[in-house]
Amino acid sequence: KNEVEQSPQNLTAQEGEFITINCSYSVGISALHWLQQHPGGGIVSLFMLSSGKKKHGRLIATINIQEKHSSLHITASHPRDSAVYICAVTPWGNQFYFGTGTSLTVIP
Amino acid sequence: EPEVTQTPSHQVTQMGQEVILRCVPISNHLYFYWYRQILGQKVEFLVSFYNNEISEKSEIFDDQFSVERPDGSNFTLKIRSTKLEDSAMYFCASSLTGYGYTFGSGTRLTVV
Repeated sequence: KNEVEQSPQNLTAQEGEFITINCSYSVGISALHWLQQHPGGGIVSLFMLSSGKKKHGRLIATINIQEKHSSLHITASHPRDSAVYICAVTPWGNQFYFGTGTSLTVIP
Repeated sequence: EPEVTQTPSHQVTQMGQEVILRCVPISNHLYFYWYRQILGQKVEFLVSFYNNEISEKSEIFDDQFSVERPDGSNFTLKIRSTKLEDSAMYFCASSLTGYGYTFGSGTRLTVV
């Protein structure tokens, strides 16, 4: 059973394109996280959301709690954005459920 | 910027051996976590630790796993008798409040 579903699994974009990655979840949550995993494997936390929208530089994350859906947008994409983007949710408590990730490649 | 440090970055061990993976969380953080990622698969939660005890653990975290905060700065994951299927990248994370996490760069464990 997959508590967290991401789409698309793989995404290739031209530099400068606007990118959207989607995440749907099936459990009640206290927060949703967007993570970035670099080719070397390291993980960076990008956003934690419990409602609304957050923006950091060219990254925007939104969440709709009623629809159990979140999106991560990247504006003016750049080759250095190439990474795996992972959606994870925390139901009430400290358990985490992770999506399978979206592998993004941005071509110059 | 404060970091979560994991050592070693890569560990190779014989099947059946015990391994200890080490993490130094951010110094004022109170919540600590271990995750693993088997190659090609998604990240999986193992355990969370708060106030010197386990607060949550997943089905993966069975009796062969244990965690400790032995000296107030390190946070360790011990695997008692490693199996081939324990080969994975193991990530430590810490949090001040239980929301917002800083991840370490991971330890790649290879069981041969």
